[in-house]
Amino acid sequence: GDSVTQMEGPVTLSEEACLTINCTYTATGYPSLFWYVQYPGEGLQLLLKATKADDKGSNKGFEATYRKETTSFHLEKGSVQVSDSAVYFCALSDSRDDKIIFGKGTRLHILP
Amino acid sequence: DTGVSQNPRHKITKRGQNVTFRCDPISEHNRLYWYRQTLGQGPEFLTYFQNEAQLEKSRLLSDRFSAERPKGSFSTLEIQRTEQGDSAMYLCASSPRGGMNTEAFFGQGTRLTVV
Repeated sequence: GDSVTQMEGPVTLSEEACLTINCTYTATGYPSLFWYVQYPGEGLQLLLKATKADDKGSNKGFEATYRKETTSFHLEKGSVQVSDSAVYFCALSDSRDDKIIFGKGTRLHILP
Repeated sequence: DTGVSQNPRHKITKRGQNVTFRCDPISEHNRLYWYRQTLGQGPEFLTYFQNEAQLEKSRLLSDRFSAERPKGSFSTLEIQRTEQGDSAMYLCASSPRGGMNTEAFFGQGTRLTVV
């Protein structure tokens, strides 16, 4: 079945460092890809998405590009802030099933 | 609109008791989803509704679990004869007609502890 694999955390960085969280997927169809974020004490929120190959999703300085050839959707940010500390989930949705499949999540700590 | 609302936020119950959770989706969202999340894991799909119709149930959902969405508005998730393995965060999400390919809005969850 469809699945998502993302790098294990926790990831600890200093403020203004560069961030990459790796994500790869397995899908039989042509999924949409997402990054969701969960800030402490809050519910899951959509951070960005991409619906077809070579699309780039972006929001709040984060970017991810849908790479069909490598089945990847890595999350990147050039300069992280303390407020970016959260758990990040890579996810996919296959239009045939209409549900989201999540990775296990990566906890990010940003030190001031 | 205040987003997806889940009640209660926390529930502690003794093994063998029944529990019921409620989810109020964003108004006019016709799709409603239930997920379960355990510590260190991503959310796992349980079931979803389009309006009042339950369209899919995960194999994770044993016969002790039942979900309803009367009148296509709020939804309830009931767990009968709870077991310690049921301890988890139960998440509800809703999305508009386009389904989860567009965007899903999640509630803050109900944390269940079975003692």
